[in-house]
Amino acid sequence: KNQVEQSPQSLIILEGKNCTLQCNYTVSPFSNLRWYKQDTGRGPVSLTIMTFSENTKSNGRYTATLDADTKQSSLHITASQLSDSASYICVLLGASKIIFGSGTRLSIRP
Amino acid sequence: DGGITQSPKYLFRKEGQNVTLSCEQNLNHDAMYWYRQDPGQGLRLIYYSQIVNDFQKGDIAEGYSVSREKKESFPLTVTSAQKNPTAFYLCASSLNPGGRYEQYFGPGTRLTVT
Repeated sequence: KNQVEQSPQSLIILEGKNCTLQCNYTVSPFSNLRWYKQDTGRGPVSLTIMTFSENTKSNGRYTATLDADTKQSSLHITASQLSDSASYICVLLGASKIIFGSGTRLSIRP
Repeated sequence: DGGITQSPKYLFRKEGQNVTLSCEQNLNHDAMYWYRQDPGQGLRLIYYSQIVNDFQKGDIAEGYSVSREKKESFPLTVTSAQKNPTAFYLCASSLNPGGRYEQYFGPGTRLTVT
């Protein structure tokens, strides 16, 4: 079983709509949880970094939340734009290693 | 223009040939990493280096080799022993090892072996 699971695998929404991506994890303890955006054929770019004691972090239209009790994180995108089309990757720093989720592929339609 | 660069962006090789992927950073970061990305899977760690002249195997090191002769450079060689080398390869760096510091990724190299 993957230690970091993301859902949905893919998502299509209309431009201007909001969406929420999920990340469930079993890694415990962990130092920080990150969300990355990866455009097709490019390297990932960091959106947010949260320590285990934080429960929300925003970066413009992106807001990440963390619930340590349920071991869930979500990434909320507000007023989506065509440029938001990308893969979004949840990453945890565990006790001794960095663990990547397989990502959610988000497509924004005009 | 500071950052981390990888070259080439696309690379094609015949089966049985070794190939070296370049990774350079001018961020003065101590730690550098190589990852492999396959469709539908999370990034998997091939090798990492915490300091010059030192490197450690990651989760999938078989069939790969690296060197770290300079702080700025961490080339990856995909050898003929790697059974399934076709993939997207990402290099990353961070200020210090251990993962507590943000990782910065290069643009990637897509390797196709036929």
